[in-house]
Amino acid sequence: AQRVTQPEKLLSVFKGAPVELKCNYSYSGSPELFWYVQYSRQRLQLLLRHISRESIKGFTADLNKGETSFHLKKPFAQEEDSAMYYCALKSAGKLIFGQGTTLQVKP
Amino acid sequence: NAGVTQTPKFRVLKTGQSMTLLCAQDMNHEYMYWYRQDPGMGLRLIHYSVGEGTTAKGEVPDGYNVSRLKKQNFLLGLESAAPSQTSVYFCASSQTGDYGYTFGSGTRLTVV
Repeated sequence: AQRVTQPEKLLSVFKGAPVELKCNYSYSGSPELFWYVQYSRQRLQLLLRHISRESIKGFTADLNKGETSFHLKKPFAQEEDSAMYYCALKSAGKLIFGQGTTLQVKP
Repeated sequence: NAGVTQTPKFRVLKTGQSMTLLCAQDMNHEYMYWYRQDPGMGLRLIHYSVGEGTTAKGEVPDGYNVSRLKKQNFLLGLESAAPSQTSVYFCASSQTGDYGYTFGSGTRLTVV
């Protein structure tokens, strides 16, 4: 079955600390994975996709097929990074989302 | 350019009542989706549409119906609301069904 798992409901770090938001997936085939972010009182929006191998707002994510993971990382967290983060897997024209992780960056 | 607009933004229903949530997009997107967002459950797909006149079931379709009579609108109906349907509902649209989803601002529904 296709599934996305984000094991942490809440991740709390201090400003300047490294951040890693975990995402594991289950998919038969070549996966396409994404990270979406929802800032307070804003709409859900695309942060990055693994195909483009880009860095957005200092965040990167590498697809590890061996570990079936797509963890989101940032070396130095900022207070404005506080938000809900969703990992998503593309499947037959739709996205399957994980449970979401709330990132709280404390001053 | 409004993108994706959801109405209403908030609603309180009594158990057994019915209602329709409206999603409208002005980007001429083919694909439209309804998700519900619940704490600890993330976003779960209710129903989706790959074009005008088409609908398909998602992960949690029970208790909901949808219609896509016009390309720009995707309606989500609750025939007999239950407290378990208390949630935040998000609509999204996409041109290709790929990653480029545009989300609405959500509808917070409480069923008492």
